[in-house]
Amino acid sequence: GEDVEQSLFLSVREGDSSVINCTYTDSSSTYLYWYKQEPGAGLQLLTYIFSNMDMKQDQRLTVLLNKKDKHLSLRIADTQTGDSAIYFCAESMNNAGNMLTFGGGTRLMVKP
Amino acid sequence: NAGVTQTPKFQVLKTGQSMTLQCAQDMNHNSMYWYRQDPGMGLRLIYYSASEGTTDKGEVPNGYNVSRLNKREFSLRLESAAPSQTSVYFCASSSEPRTVGNQPQHFGDGTRLSIL
Repeated sequence: GEDVEQSLFLSVREGDSSVINCTYTDSSSTYLYWYKQEPGAGLQLLTYIFSNMDMKQDQRLTVLLNKKDKHLSLRIADTQTGDSAIYFCAESMNNAGNMLTFGGGTRLMVKP
Repeated sequence: NAGVTQTPKFQVLKTGQSMTLQCAQDMNHNSMYWYRQDPGMGLRLIYYSASEGTTDKGEVPNGYNVSRLNKREFSLRLESAAPSQTSVYFCASSSEPRTVGNQPQHFGDGTRLSIL
């Protein structure tokens, strides 16, 4: 079965870079996603990467994918207090159609 | 733009009571989903509806039923609530059944359900 794992907590200072890591087990993943959840809200899609890519950059966000090690990371440059939230990685698999498997989430705390 | 709307936002039930959680989307999406979120476990899929008129079980369907009332609405019913169903429930929708990069799932703000 699929398993997506993330560390529970990350604390950084405002202006530093944050790196949130995720590992997954299913090599048939087609797309991998990063979602952000602010308190009391639903999940907001931040970015995604197709499994045949190894990097994607979108403004302050950089996604790195190491398919050999099944490792996904999200780097947030110049982290701001508004980036404080829970970040979820998720994978989808071609043969599972509409199923998304989520990690447990990483709580990012940004200190002023 | 409303997106995905869930009602109610909060609910407290007693064990054995029944409850229907409502979800509606205004994006003309074909597919809709119900998840539950428990601490440290991410989101787990309860049921989904790939298109109007179809529903399928997800990872954790036991104790729940769903109805895809029309293209816009997808409800989740707890017939006899149990304390283990205390959770935050999220509804989501996507334009197509296959979750592809440029057609992601859009989420509602959640329903916080406590069962005593």
